[in-house]
Formats: sequence, C-alpha cells, structure tokens
Amino acid sequence: DAGVIQSPRHEVTEMGQEVTLRCKPISGHDYLFWYRQTMMRGLELLIYFNNNVPIDDSGMPEDRFSAKMPNASFSTLKIQPSEPRDSAVYFCASRNRGYNEQFFGPGTRLTVL
Amino acid sequence: AQSVTQPDIHITVSEGASLELRCNYSYGATPYLFWYVQSPGQGLQLLLKYFSGDTLVQGIKGFEAEFKRSQSSFNLRKPSVHWSDAAEYFCAVGGQAGTALIFGKGTTLSVSS
Repeated sequence: DAGVIQSPRHEVTEMGQEVTLRCKPISGHDYLFWYRQTMMRGLELLIYFNNNVPIDDSGMPEDRFSAKMPNASFSTLKIQPSEPRDSAVYFCASRNRGYNEQFFGPGTRLTVL
Repeated sequence: AQSVTQPDIHITVSEGASLELRCNYSYGATPYLFWYVQSPGQGLQLLLKYFSGDTLVQGIKGFEAEFKRSQSSFNLRKPSVHWSDAAEYFCAVGGQAGTALIFGKGTTLSVSS
C-alpha cells in the first residue's frame, strides 16, 4: 500500500489567498484525521471524519478553515483567506475501524507570507 | 480532563547509552497508548502500542515501553541508543475505536558521539 498521500508537500502563498490541502487515506480505512503542527502548540487535532462524515470539528480554529470528505478516498482542508499565523505543517492520518492506530501522511508544510 | 504530558522537552544521550522518555496521561476510560517517532521533515511513524495484556510492549527499532496503571505512565525505553534514533518522540492516548488520539507535546532526542 502507498500509505497516506498528501499534496502538495510544500505550499507558499500570500496572505489573503485561498489554500487547499489534499489527502488520500489508506484504502479501506474509514477514519480520517487532520492535524496541525507548530512549534508553539505542538500537534493539534483539527477535525476527523468517520465514513466521510465529520465527527468532531471542535479543533478547527475559525470559520476560515473548512474540511470536506466527498468520498472514502479523498479529503480536503481549505483555508480562506489564509493568514501568516496559519503557517504550520498539516498532517492527514487515517485509521481502520478495528484499531486505534493511526497512519500518518508526510505532511504539507504551509507558509503564508 | 484528558491529556498527555511529556515532561522532557529535550534530552541528549550519548550513543550507546540507555534511554528513557517519560509519558504520563490522564484519561477517563481504558487507555490505548502509543509512541510515535518523527524524523525531521517526515510524518509520524508508530513505534509501539499498548491495548491490553502484558504491560511491557516491544516495538520497532529495539524500543520498548512499560504501562504502569498505578502511575498513569507509559515510558519509552531503549537499552542502547544509535545516532539514527535522533528524532522527536510523541506519546499519545486514545480510547476505544471511534475516538481521536490525544498527543503530548513531544520530546526531542539528540544523540551525541
């Protein structure tokens, strides 16, 4: 299996622009998680889905952030408009229903200028 | 409140010396415990996990961890550290399938020659 795939790996954008991060979970996994990692706050859970349905989005920082999972093999995290404080590494992870182990993607390093 | 505490932000160990990274958790239900490792620029990789049974669990790369319920701890150990073990280590706790993981802030391990 290819593992969790994220794109792009690096994104540099200017403040006010829309940013879309993409994730393809491991085939057969029915949970998908989005995390944000910064030096100051560590690894934070933003939102997670079960069977494509958002279960907990309490970690989404504000309305500028939105996430969708239109099907079992694809999810997006969108920031509109982006701000410099959104600069971070964003990770996607997926998990099989029967286990609590999460498999992480390589992350997207976002820089907002 | 549910939380994971990794008291040591940064540890330096000589190559060949033993290692212990501390992890304490607070969780209201039966905990599922994990240690992940993150190399620079990479995603998180699972080292080992504890669900039930033997409280001493073995993982990859020669790591082991011991679950102590009375101390709410899940410390990670390795008898002889290699330079390639330099990375950031995260402890995490979760519940039954269907819950998200809670991560500690991480411990950065440096290995000196």
